[in-house]
Amino acid sequence: AQSVTQPDIHITVSEGASLELRCNYSYGATPYLFWYVQSPGQGLQLLLKYFSGDTLVQGIKGFEAEFKRSQSSFNLRKPSVHWSDAAEYFCAVGAPEDTGKLIFGQGTTLQVKP
Amino acid sequence: NAGVTQTPKFQVLKTGQSMTLQCAQDMNHNSMYWYRQDPGMGLRLIYYSASEGTTDKGEVPNGYNVSRLNKREFSLRLESAAPSQTSVYFCASTPSSGNYGYTFGSGTRLTVV
Repeated sequence: AQSVTQPDIHITVSEGASLELRCNYSYGATPYLFWYVQSPGQGLQLLLKYFSGDTLVQGIKGFEAEFKRSQSSFNLRKPSVHWSDAAEYFCAVGAPEDTGKLIFGQGTTLQVKP
Repeated sequence: NAGVTQTPKFQVLKTGQSMTLQCAQDMNHNSMYWYRQDPGMGLRLIYYSASEGTTDKGEVPNGYNVSRLNKREFSLRLESAAPSQTSVYFCASTPSSGNYGYTFGSGTRLTVV
């Protein structure tokens, strides 16, 4: 069965510092991989996705993620964090043969210090 | 604005009461989904509808029923609410079941006392 693990529940970084949020998945083949962001009281917004091809994918708001098959990971990065990036971030996995269902990780809450 | 609309935004129920959460999308999407979000557990799929006229169980369907009323609308019903169903509920839609371009609604915060 598919599963997604986000090892860090909370992360605090200073504004301007770099950010890396970890995501590990369990799946027999190469899944579809996603990162979503949720601001307080809001729905989820897609940051980026990986289906195939180049393992480094660019998303919105200056985020990028790298798919590493050998490590079953899809970590999210940003070179310089802004205060507006404070939110909850979810990694998700979808099976290519499935009916559009996503399996979400537990989420990582990002706090940004001024 | 185009998107997914959920009603109500907030609801408090007493144990044993019933209610229906409404979801409508105006993007002509074929597939629709209901998720619940609980602290530390991410989002878990309750039910989904790959296309109009079909519905299937997700990971946590017990205590819920759904209706795909038409292509636009996908409702979630709690027949006899329990405190364990206190959660934030999200509806989402995608153009088709093979397209993972989810659009999420803004959620319904449900408290069962």
